[in-house]
Amino acid sequence: GAVVSQHPSWVICKSGTSVKIECRSLDFQATTMFWYRQFPKQSLMLMATSNEGSKATYEQGVEKDKFLINHASLTLSTLTVTSAHPEDSSFYICSARTLGQGARDGYTFGSGTRLTVV
Amino acid sequence: QQQVKQSPQSLIVQKGGISIINCAYENTAFDYFPWYQQFPGKGPALLIAIRPDVSEKKEGRFTISFNKSAKQFSLHIMDSQPGDSATYFCAATNTGTASKLTFGTGTRLQVTL
Repeated sequence: GAVVSQHPSWVICKSGTSVKIECRSLDFQATTMFWYRQFPKQSLMLMATSNEGSKATYEQGVEKDKFLINHASLTLSTLTVTSAHPEDSSFYICSARTLGQGARDGYTFGSGTRLTVV
Repeated sequence: QQQVKQSPQSLIVQKGGISIINCAYENTAFDYFPWYQQFPGKGPALLIAIRPDVSEKKEGRFTISFNKSAKQFSLHIMDSQPGDSATYFCAATNTGTASKLTFGTGTRLQVTL
C-alpha cells in the first residue's frame, strides 16, 4: 500500500518551454504532498508543500511563479517548471504524507524525474 | 533549530562488515526519525524509522540506535553487502504538526568485495 507514482521519469526540453511533472497517489488519498529538488551528490531540498485545494507553501528562495504547483485533487499534484532554463536541470522528487494511511512510512516518495533543459 | 547533521559524508566498508552512520538533531520537538536509502536515479525508499520512546529498533540487518538525551541517532547495517552500496539519508520531523521532513546531508556507502 501507499504507492506514489511520478511521471515522467525523465524529460528533455528546450530552453524557454514549460514542463509538467505529475505525482499520483495510487491507493490512498494524499492531502499533503511535498516537492523536492536534488542536485548531484546532494541532499533533497524541499521546494514546496502543497495541500489539496489550497495554494502551495513555497520554501524561501523558491520562485513560485517559475515552479507552479497544483494540488487540485486528493490523488494528484503537479509541478510545472515554466520557461525552463539549463539551470533548472535537476532531479525532482515528489512525496506524499502517508501518516495514518496504514503505510509503513509516514512519507512515501515518488521515483523522481530527471529534467534536462537544453 | 531545524538542522539534522549527518556523518560521515562517505563510507567504505568491506563485505560482511558493519556500516555505521550517525545523525544529530537540535529540535527537541522532532518525534519521527526515518532512514532512507537512495540508489542513483531513484527516489528515496524507507529503510527503517524510530520514535523517541524507544532506544533501539531492529529490522533484519538494519538497526537504529536512538539517544534522546544526546539528541543523536545512528543507523547500523550488519553484514554489509555490495547491494547495500547507495546513499543513505537520515531525517526527522514533528508528525503532530504535519511538518516537512528535515534531511541530513547524506552518506555515500560503498561496500567492497
